[in-house]
Amino acid sequence: ETGVTQSPTHLIKTRGQQVTLRCSSQSGHNTVSWYQQALGQGPQFIFQYYREEENGRGNFPPRFSGLQFPNYSSELNVNALELDDSALYLCASSLSGYTTDTQYFGPGTRLTVL
Amino acid sequence: GENVEQHPSTLSVQEGDSAVIKCTYSDSASNYFPWYKQELGKGSQLIIDIRSNVGEKKDQRIAVTLNKTAKHFSLHITETQPEDSAVYFCAASIADSWGKLQFGAGTQVVVTP
Repeated sequence: ETGVTQSPTHLIKTRGQQVTLRCSSQSGHNTVSWYQQALGQGPQFIFQYYREEENGRGNFPPRFSGLQFPNYSSELNVNALELDDSALYLCASSLSGYTTDTQYFGPGTRLTVL
Repeated sequence: GENVEQHPSTLSVQEGDSAVIKCTYSDSASNYFPWYKQELGKGSQLIIDIRSNVGEKKDQRIAVTLNKTAKHFSLHITETQPEDSAVYFCAASIADSWGKLQFGAGTQVVVTP
């Protein structure tokens, strides 16, 4: 059983650019949640995908968007990057979207916006 | 919405001593409280969780207590070991609802031999 993987590990972009981050969910999981973790802060919920549909969204602007594929892997896209988007981006997979289902986190993608 | 505060931000303990991390939440509807351990380069892992219908839960050296009236919950680690060194996050949510966990800001725990 493979765990949650994310790619790339690190990424450097400049303001105004666009970025795509990828997440492979754990085998058997149909739900992926994305979080943004700024330095010294806890993870902040961006959105969740359940069976290829967005299932809930946190307080993030529309330039944060996502996709989930039939194999339940997922992408996070961020357009028009801003300096404040610099953070560790985490994805977590779970058996379903219920909050009481254990979420299995990937190691994250460190995004730096210059 | 829910707001979770976590203290302390850093905690240094001698190996073998106990560590306690405290969190408070604002939304009285929250009734599910997991704790995650984050190690550098690894995915965060759930170490223990508690629902609001119980006041305490224990798993070997780790325990969580919940005070619903005061809206706070705590993580207790006994007989700390160097491998307990990590960042610990508390979270709150409404059990069996869809979507998000609201996390605290984290506590860096350092266990010194």
